[in-house]
Formats: sequence, structure tokens, C-alpha cells
Amino acid sequence: AQKITQTQPGMFVQEKEAVTLDCTYDTSDQSYGLFWYKQPSSGEMIFLIYQGSYDEQNATEGRYSLNFQKARKSANLVISASQLGDSAMYFCAMREDPFSNDYKLSFGAGTTVTVRA
Amino acid sequence: GAVVSQHPSRVICKSGTSVKIECRSLDFQATTMFWYRQFPKQSLMLMATSNEGSKATYEQGVEKDKFLINHASLTLSTLTVTSAHPEDSSFYICSALLPGTGEKEAFFGQGTRLTVV
Repeated sequence: AQKITQTQPGMFVQEKEAVTLDCTYDTSDQSYGLFWYKQPSSGEMIFLIYQGSYDEQNATEGRYSLNFQKARKSANLVISASQLGDSAMYFCAMREDPFSNDYKLSFGAGTTVTVRA
Repeated sequence: GAVVSQHPSRVICKSGTSVKIECRSLDFQATTMFWYRQFPKQSLMLMATSNEGSKATYEQGVEKDKFLINHASLTLSTLTVTSAHPEDSSFYICSALLPGTGEKEAFFGQGTRLTVV
């Protein structure tokens, strides 16, 4: 079964507007971590934001915020004030049982974001 | 943030030859590194977990003899694609786990685009 689901293959957003990227996950673990990465056309994976399953506050990092709804098992990424440089592919990922030594990230299919001027 | 350097960024090789890809953690020691494969417009698929001083752990379906992984030092892991064929053409990307960050992010290299002709 797929652990991470990103249902939006592609999205367009106007410059300076906000965009929400959906991510739902599936796990039976009580303890897990959720990540968002940005992959520009050059290929490198850039870490954006992290949310631990026990974190009570939604994570925020500059223009990135994570809307964490544990009961719904969703971890949507919100990018505020979009910039042209935000155009990239965005991946949601999960690490289950983070206190084990088996640090494996499961990635979603990704969402391509295109910011329009 | 921590820096992971991957080399080469692009390589073209003839069918039947072997190609070595290096993944280096430049400013930290990484006991654990990961190798992923990514097809165009698709997600990252974990190939193997590389542990310094021990054999790599391969994911199901990944040919160990085809994709040789060596993690000889705390700052270097290599992936060798042996007897490469056109179907091995893909984007390969490594990541290194920054010690002491618990369930926090892994840092990714820039990726290597392999084309087998």
C-alpha cells in the first residue's frame, strides 16, 4: 500500500499568491516524521520543512508552513507569497519509527508547481 | 546546512561498461548514506542503505551484483553500476544522514544523470 499520497500532479499559481500542496499518509506507527522537499529542474533535493507526529504546533519555516492534521493523516504544505523561483517539483515524505536505526524515507509521487508572473 | 557532494553530475557511458558514482559528505561524518533512483517526472525510489564498514542493505528488487555499493569511509559512499545497459539510464541521487539530528532531515547530493548508449 502506498504510504504517501500526493493527488495533485501539477499546479499553477500566480506570483505573490499562496498555494497549498496536498499530502496524505498511511502509517500505523504512533511516532513518525513528515518531510517536504523541493526539487528544481537541476535535480537536487532541498529540504524545506519537518513535522514530527508529536509536535503540537504546525511547523513553519519562512514562507513554508505545514498544515498538520493528525486525525486526517494529512500534512499539507502551504507556500505563501509565491515567487518565480518556487517553480519546482515538491515531494512529501515520511519516516516511520524515527527512533529506530532504520532511517528510510518513503516519498510521494510529487507535485509540480509552476509559478506564473 | 550540511553539504553532500555527488560526482559526476552527468555521465554518458557505453553499454556493457561500468560507471562509478561518488557521494561525499563534505563537512560531517555520515555513518549512513542512501542511494535512490528516479525516473523522469517520478518519485524517488530507495535502492539501498549504505552503512560505513558493513555491507549495504538493498531494497527488494534491486540487484546487488548490478548496483555495487561501497561505504569505505565516514565521508564517502560509492555506487557502481556494473555492465550498464540502456535501461539503467536514470537519475541517481544519494543522501547522507546528519548524526545527532534524530528524526530530522537527511541531506541530498546534487544527483547524477546516467545515460547508457
